[in-house]
Amino acid sequence: SQQGEEDPQALSIQEGENATMNCSYKTSINNLQWYRQNSGRGLVHLILIRSNEREKHSGRLRVTLDTSKKSSSLLITASRAADTASYFCATDAGTGNQFYFGTGTSLTVIP
Amino acid sequence: GAGVSQSPSNKVTEKGKDVELRCDPISGHTALYWYRQSLGQGLEFLIYFQGNSAPDKSGLPSDRFSAERTGGSVSTLTIQRTQQEDSAVYLCASSFASGSHNEQFFGPGTRLTVL
Repeated sequence: SQQGEEDPQALSIQEGENATMNCSYKTSINNLQWYRQNSGRGLVHLILIRSNEREKHSGRLRVTLDTSKKSSSLLITASRAADTASYFCATDAGTGNQFYFGTGTSLTVIP
Repeated sequence: GAGVSQSPSNKVTEKGKDVELRCDPISGHTALYWYRQSLGQGLEFLIYFQGNSAPDKSGLPSDRFSAERTGGSVSTLTIQRTQQEDSAVYLCASSFASGSHNEQFFGPGTRLTVL
């Protein structure tokens, strides 16, 4: 079974609004990463958060990690139409060497 | 600089035939990963290589699937006696080293359709 599960499965917002996506996982982790996938393309790395970190920022992205709840959230502020994509979390399930991806959140930003 | 490339970009084959999918990682990247993504689904981990060796093959769905990596560079994923359920996009990624603290760089994928 997959390690990560994102919710919601789909999200539609107006340009300028904030988008929040959540990821829950099952086992302890060393690191958690978020990736973005545009339709029909490969994935692009967005941000890494380590298990001893609680929050990280990168531009308009903010990621939080709550290891006690085994969950992470990705916040995109001031969304743009170009942010339309699928977003995946990936965890290492404590293995440290391989990644397990969730099912993804499909984000649509309406201009 | 060149990113991860995969070939072919699309492959249509008949049930029962063998297929080979190729991945060229970023030069100097020692770790290489294969994933499978079915329509509207997340990524299913298949196998990873550190150098030429594959420490964990447990993600391969069946013994019809095999992968190799030679010279610490190019990798080939082979699916024998393809079945319709093998239809998916096969993604390859590489990273500077193994370890989940390293960013993975993905190729564009090979879309496999088994008729």
